[in-house]
Amino acid sequence: AQTVTQSQPEMSVQEAETVTLSCTYDTSENNYYLFWYKQPPSRQMILVIRQEAYKQQNATENRFSVNFQKAAKSFSLKISDSQLGDTAMYFCAFMKHMAGANNLFFGTGTRLTVIP
Amino acid sequence: SQTIHQWPATLVQPVGSPLSLECTVEGTSNPNLYWYRQAAGRGLQLLFYSVGIGQISSEVPQNLSASRPQDRQFILSSKKLLLSDSGFYLCAWSKLAGELFFGEGSRLTVL
Repeated sequence: AQTVTQSQPEMSVQEAETVTLSCTYDTSENNYYLFWYKQPPSRQMILVIRQEAYKQQNATENRFSVNFQKAAKSFSLKISDSQLGDTAMYFCAFMKHMAGANNLFFGTGTRLTVIP
Repeated sequence: SQTIHQWPATLVQPVGSPLSLECTVEGTSNPNLYWYRQAAGRGLQLLFYSVGIGQISSEVPQNLSASRPQDRQFILSSKKLLLSDSGFYLCAWSKLAGELFFGEGSRLTVL
């Protein structure tokens, strides 16, 4: 079974500073995808960044980047130059293919507050 | 571009009443469709997914059911709601090997 663990229920960061959110996962699969989703107060889940397990290079998307350590099964998210709009719940997710569809296994989330 | 909509956004229902949440996707064909539930303070749990019209797979046994009457329409239903059905329900779509894109969510409160 796949499990995703986010050990930081809440975090805060000063505006313009950098923050790192932690995520570890457990799987016996070799090919998979990892994601970070953001859920602002509006509650809609928004994709922040994705990482294919077969790629060694860490994904980067503007101010967002990941540190993917496959052997350690670790997938942390770094947010640089934090902005007030980054305040949200952040969910780490593991994706596995199943019978033509995909299933996302989510962590319990980290609530990030950006302080002005 | 692709869009996904679900409604209603908020629903308050008494125990024992029926439920129907609807989700539609535009701008794509043959999407995979999903229903997730998010309990308060927790991550998302997959309830149902569909790879085609009339094809529904259930991930967890429960009081709910799903149907896909059209290619881009996905409906979550219940004949008799339980208190434990309260939560935030999210519809999502994906292509075969891609990430999931979520709708705005529907908050259900069962009293």
